[in-house]
Amino acid sequence: GDSVTQMEGPVTLSEEAFLTINCTYTATGYPSLFWYVQYPGEGLQLLLKATKADDKGSNKGFEATYRKETTSFHLEKGSVQVSDSAVYFCALSPPSSGTYKYIFGTGTRLKVLA
Amino acid sequence: GAVVSQHPSWVICKSGTSVKIECRSLDFQATTMFWYRQFPKQSLMLMATSNEGSKATYEQGVEKDKFLINHASLTLSTLTVTSAHPEDSSFYICSASGAQYFGPGTRLLVL
Repeated sequence: GDSVTQMEGPVTLSEEAFLTINCTYTATGYPSLFWYVQYPGEGLQLLLKATKADDKGSNKGFEATYRKETTSFHLEKGSVQVSDSAVYFCALSPPSSGTYKYIFGTGTRLKVLA
Repeated sequence: GAVVSQHPSWVICKSGTSVKIECRSLDFQATTMFWYRQFPKQSLMLMATSNEGSKATYEQGVEKDKFLINHASLTLSTLTVTSAHPEDSSFYICSASGAQYFGPGTRLLVL
């Protein structure tokens, strides 16, 4: 079945460091790919998405490129801030029209130190 | 943008009671909504798919008699945790079809 694998955390970085959180997926066809962020005590917020191969999603300095050949969607940010501390979830939505039934990775906790 | 709300955001109840959680799509119609459960420090697990006007579809291992889902209108789905027990304590999150947005979640604590 479809699945998402994320790198295990926690990831601890100093402010202004470069961030990469790896995400690979297994799916039939061409799923849509997402990154969600969850701040402490809050629900999920959509961070960025990509719906087809080679698409690059970007938001708030975060980027991820849909790589069909490597079935990956790694999250990157050039310079993290303390406010980026959160749990990041990679997710996919199988190619079904009109619905968003998500399959999530286990989440990667990021802690950014001042 | 599309907004999904949940009510209540927090609920504490005694063991054996039932708790109802509402999920509303505020500015769009959703024929399908999804209910997820999140355990502490873990990922979201899909519990069931809520279909307007028909029965919900439950994922393997989820007790349909325990977690009653009603999707009575195009903007409202409810999840009722019946005869709740401490092991049902969790964070319940809904999402709506046609939108990549999730509700803010409902934290349930069963004493």
